[in-house]
Parts: sequence; structure tokens; C-alpha cells
Amino acid sequence: SQQGEEDPQALSIQEGENATMNCSYKTSINNLQWYRQNSGRGLVHLILIRSNEREKHSGRLRVTLDTSKKSSSLLITASRAADTASYFCATIQGTSGSRLTFGEGTQLTVNP
Amino acid sequence: GAVVSQHPSWVICKSGTSVKIECRSLDFQATTMFWYRQFPKQSLMLMATSNEGSKATYEQGVEKDKFLINHASLTLSTLTVTSAHPEDSSFYICSARNQAVQNIQYFGAGTRLSVL
Repeated sequence: SQQGEEDPQALSIQEGENATMNCSYKTSINNLQWYRQNSGRGLVHLILIRSNEREKHSGRLRVTLDTSKKSSSLLITASRAADTASYFCATIQGTSGSRLTFGEGTQLTVNP
Repeated sequence: GAVVSQHPSWVICKSGTSVKIECRSLDFQATTMFWYRQFPKQSLMLMATSNEGSKATYEQGVEKDKFLINHASLTLSTLTVTSAHPEDSSFYICSARNQAVQNIQYFGAGTRLSVL
């Protein structure tokens, strides 16, 4: 079952603007990951943040994790049309080993 | 980076036939691979965890006799949809866990199955 909830479900912005997506989860986690999926394609791993980390950066990506609120956010700065895709958060739950549980995803559209 | 190849990318078949989908890790060994199903505009639903040399672990509600999984080597897992019916039409995605990069899964490009 999917434990992650993401908002917004859909986000449409102009090129150059920042995009923020949020993810909430219900159980304890080992880490939280963000993936990107272009339409009709597989997923690409973007970034992993461990449960003892609060913020992580990778290029134009910034991820935060608040374990007390069981939530995470993904910020894409200076967005580009090529960033248009679906973004999913996924968690490794405490006792599940490597089993990922995905959120419902946010469809991001960046208009040129 | 780690590459996972999934084949075929698209298949159309008649109702009642079986379809095999292959998932290969090209540049790393994967003792664990995963099979997901995705409906349009929805998230990924884990179907089963494929373990090299042992039986797959299926998620609740997934018919193991319907979706046969074989993981005979460290680089190949196969999913066979047996006696496919139109309701099996979906997007199937595999992933492989690279033990050298803890807990990160690398995904294939997916297989779109259409059963007529």
C-alpha cells in the first residue's frame, strides 16, 4: 500500500520559477528518496536523505526532511521546461529492508 | 551510473497468451530486483520482490500463479504474465537494487502491455 501522500497533485509554473513539492508519510523510516518519471518511462533516482539528516542539496535540488512531522519537501530552483515530469517520494520503512513505498506523485509542468 | 535494461518496451498480445518481460542489470549485480505495476496517472504499486536463487515474495493481492517471477542469475529477472487478459493491460516497471549504493533502486524504462 502507498503510505506517502504528496501535494500538490499537479503544479504548473513558468520557466525560471521555483517548484516546491511536499510529501508526507505515516511510519518510521530509514531514509526518504525522491524520484522523477518522464511520461511513459521508468524512474530516475534524484536524491536520498537519511532519517538523521534535515536538509540535502544536489545541484538545483534541495530536499528537507522533518521526521517529527513525517514530511519532506523537494525544491527545484530556477526550473526549466525539461524539468516537466512526475516526481515521487519513496520511503524505506523501518523493518522493510530495501522495499520502497511510493507516494502518489506530483505532476510538474514547466511552461517555457 | 547503474543501468537497468527492460525488454520489451511495448507489447500487444491476444487474450489468453503469456507474455515474458525481462529485466537486466547491465553493469552491476543485483541480488534483489523489484516488479511494479503502474496505472495511468497513478503511482507505482509493488507487485513482488525477486530474490536471486530463491522464490519471489509477492505483495498481498498479487496472484503468484498469474505473475510468474524468475531470478535465475545476479543480472536477470523475468516476469511472465500468464494467460493475459485485458485487465492485465498496464505499465510494468522493474528495478534493481545496487548493493554498492545502499538502498537506491535503479529502474528499467518500463513495459507497456496491451492485451486485446
